[in-house]
Amino acid sequence: GAGVSQTPSNKVTEKGKYVELRCDPISGHTALYWYRQSLGQGPEFLIYFQGTGAADDSGLPNDRFFAVRPEGSVSTLKIQRTERGDSAVYLCASSYTGAGEQFFGPGTRLTVL
Amino acid sequence: ELKVEQNPLFLSMQEGKNYTIYCNYSTTSDRLYWYRQDPGKSLESLFVLLSNGAVKQEGRLMASLDTKARLSTLHITAAVHDLSATYFCAVDIRGGGADGLTFGKGTHLIIQP
Repeated sequence: GAGVSQTPSNKVTEKGKYVELRCDPISGHTALYWYRQSLGQGPEFLIYFQGTGAADDSGLPNDRFFAVRPEGSVSTLKIQRTERGDSAVYLCASSYTGAGEQFFGPGTRLTVL
Repeated sequence: ELKVEQNPLFLSMQEGKNYTIYCNYSTTSDRLYWYRQDPGKSLESLFVLLSNGAVKQEGRLMASLDTKARLSTLHITAAVHDLSATYFCAVDIRGGGADGLTFGKGTHLIIQP
């Protein structure tokens, strides 16, 4: 079946702009996660959704970052007033219940100029 | 704060040799995950270890978990070039299973013919 999909695959923006990154999880997976990965590092947890609600948003670095999952399926990560330090690959993962194996999407490479 | 440390971070080895990657973590957790990442690609799930003493094998890779020592190992037997990749271990942030993951920095493995 289809895996986790993310769009766009690449996003180049200018400092100060607003961006939205989309994640479409595996059908039937109730848990959805956002991570970001900087070059040469492991993924860093941002936020976890169980259904429509954010069960844990402790990894969001500041209030410029926000994520939604209004219908319990597709999620959007929103970044306001982007900064050059936000440049990274943003990864989305989903799992069947939240207590198990996480399957990762291909990622969105965000470059802030 | 949960810390996950991998050792070594870089490893160059010859085909046919055996080697072990170590993953130490700083808090109680019964769940540990191993992922593989090829350059420019997303993460591929290799193993999910769910209890103390768990051992799983797939081809030339074998993973084990010792929750009392807070240590997992990934053993490579008779390495082949196709196993060249970066390997990450990850632990549930709160050890409860339904959380985001904290990743190690990864072990960059190069297997030379």
